[in-house]
Amino acid sequence: DIQMTQSPSSLSASVGDRVTITCRASESISSYLSWFQQKPGKAPQLLIFDTSTLQSGVPSRFSGSKSETDFTLAISSLEPEDFAVYYCQQTYSTPWTFGQGTKVEIK
Amino acid sequence: QVQLQESGPGLVKPSETLSLTCTVSGGSVSSHSYYWSWVRQSGKGLEWIGYIYYSGSANYNPSLKSRVTISLDTSKSQFSLKLSSVTAADAAVYYCARQQWLAPYHFDFWGQGSLVTVSS
Repeated sequence: DIQMTQSPSSLSASVGDRVTITCRASESISSYLSWFQQKPGKAPQLLIFDTSTLQSGVPSRFSGSKSETDFTLAISSLEPEDFAVYYCQQTYSTPWTFGQGTKVEIK
Repeated sequence: QVQLQESGPGLVKPSETLSLTCTVSGGSVSSHSYYWSWVRQSGKGLEWIGYIYYSGSANYNPSLKSRVTISLDTSKSQFSLKLSSVTAADAAVYYCARQQWLAPYHFDFWGQGSLVTVSS
């Protein structure tokens, strides 16, 4: 199985801060990486797919990039509604696997 | 817009079979454009269980393959999950989700989730 390792596991930030979350794949996954946002009691919601393509309706403050097997989710300026848990997922080969999550908390 | 809704018992006894159904509205499970997946979330994180395609072909996570069956009922616009011989380790929130059939195969719509407890 392809292992997805996210870092950090949690972070504290303020409204307006720029935040980055990293996800490292244990082997090449091409660009087949998605990012999800999950709020308490809710299902994960797709933010970005194919490394950097924003899902319809997702604000442009979210962006994604990659360097080899390292993938980054960036939030350019945190809004109050962005405090949540973020997950990465590879869809390069089955079994599809997820990172362990990054909790973004209010400082 | 497509909507997915899980349904099924919230409590399953150890060694019995967990059964959940996902009802799809605003879209067709008969479409060749999507896989229909199950994912679960426990304290161990998110785990993909498997998917089924409109043709009836399925693909399962090897870690669960011996106990999982996913089926499709196009007449009811539903797909279902059966997980046999459950233990406490199978307690989780179970999600159904739509997955794009074409690369990069992303999961674009999810149900709200169904909490399953395993206890006698």
